[in-house]
Amino acid sequence: NAGVTQTPKFQVLKTGQSMTLQCAQDMNHNSMYWYRQDPGMGLRLIYYSASEGTTDKGEVPNGYNVSRLNKREFSLRLESAAPSQTSVYFCASSVGANYGYTFGSGTRLTVV
Amino acid sequence: GENVEQHPSTLSVQEGDSAVIKCTYSDSASNYFPWYKQELGKRPQLIIDIRSNVGEKKDQRIAVTLNKTAKHFSLHITETQPEDSAVYFCAASNTGNQFYFGTGTSLTVIP
Repeated sequence: NAGVTQTPKFQVLKTGQSMTLQCAQDMNHNSMYWYRQDPGMGLRLIYYSASEGTTDKGEVPNGYNVSRLNKREFSLRLESAAPSQTSVYFCASSVGANYGYTFGSGTRLTVV
Repeated sequence: GENVEQHPSTLSVQEGDSAVIKCTYSDSASNYFPWYKQELGKRPQLIIDIRSNVGEKKDQRIAVTLNKTAKHFSLHITETQPEDSAVYFCAASNTGNQFYFGTGTSLTVIP
């Protein structure tokens, strides 16, 4: 039982490049989330998917897109990376609304 | 949206002492309040949560209290141990899917 698996763990991009962060969970959770974590700012929600087939914007969605591929997988795409997107990205899942999260191990992204 | 403030940002305690971290929230409709512990370089992990119909919840050395009138909730850790050293985040949710996190408290337990 792996929980929430994120790939890659580290990535360096040049400004303007694109990439997709992958996330998969094996706990049969309905809801999945993408957060970014910046020093002194806590965790901020980028996008979430309350259930398979739905996605919604969070607090900081600009510059990102997501795809809920199936119940297990939720990917985050940066179409044209900017230095302001340098951060640690966490994927999370939960049984549903108002339940605690299980987080993935994170992706440390640097945009130069 | 919701605004969650967390204090203090850093906290040092002697081993065996208690630690208290306090969070305030702005949206009176918020009804779910989890706490997460994040060790250095690791993922956040849920340690305890409380819902708005409960005033206090305990789990061994950890407890959370909620004051809905004053819109604040607190994490209490008793008999602290060195392995309690980590960053602790509070969060609040009113819709169930959008959690708003505090900025974290770095707790150091001095042996």
